[in-house]
Amino acid sequence: GNSVTQMEGPVTLSEEAFLTINCTYTATGYPSLFWYVQYPGEGLQLLLKATKADDKGSNKGFEATYRKETTSFHLEKGSVQVSDSAVYFCALRDYKLSFGAGTTVTVRA
Amino acid sequence: DAGVIQSPRHEVTEMGQEVTLRCKPISGHNSLFWYRQTMMRGLELLIYFNNNVPIDDSGMPEDRFSAKMPNASFSTLKIQPSEPRDSAVYFCASSYQGNLGNTEAFFGQGTRLTVV
Repeated sequence: GNSVTQMEGPVTLSEEAFLTINCTYTATGYPSLFWYVQYPGEGLQLLLKATKADDKGSNKGFEATYRKETTSFHLEKGSVQVSDSAVYFCALRDYKLSFGAGTTVTVRA
Repeated sequence: DAGVIQSPRHEVTEMGQEVTLRCKPISGHNSLFWYRQTMMRGLELLIYFNNNVPIDDSGMPEDRFSAKMPNASFSTLKIQPSEPRDSAVYFCASSYQGNLGNTEAFFGQGTRLTVV
């Protein structure tokens, strides 16, 4: 079946550091790919998405490119802020939505 | 639209009691998901409905759990009898699935269930 594997955390960074969270997937067909973010005590919010190969999703300084050849959708941000501290989930959707395990990111001032 | 609405936000109940969690999806969405989140197991898909029909319930842990979607604007997740190991945050999410593609899923704020 379809599945998502993402980099385990936790990840701790200093403000203005570069962030990468790796995500790879296994799927039949051509799923849509997503990154969701969960702030403490809240539900999941969509951060960005890509619906086909070579699409780049971007939002709030975060980017991820749908790489079919490497079956990857790595999340990147060039300069993180304390407010980026959260749990990040990679997900794919064919008919149902499957999530990775989540990566906890803590950004220190 | 107010987004996906879940109730209650918090529920504390005694072991053995019946618990019912409720979800109102976004109007116009035809797919609905129930997830459970715990520290140990992360985010688990319990059941997925499309056009009010359960499509995949393979994640429902056992017979104590049941879910219904009587119409496009309402779903329930019931646990009877509840046990302490059911303590978790339960999320409902909805999306649109159609021939032209699928939208992303929008999540509710979750119901934090504590079974004592």
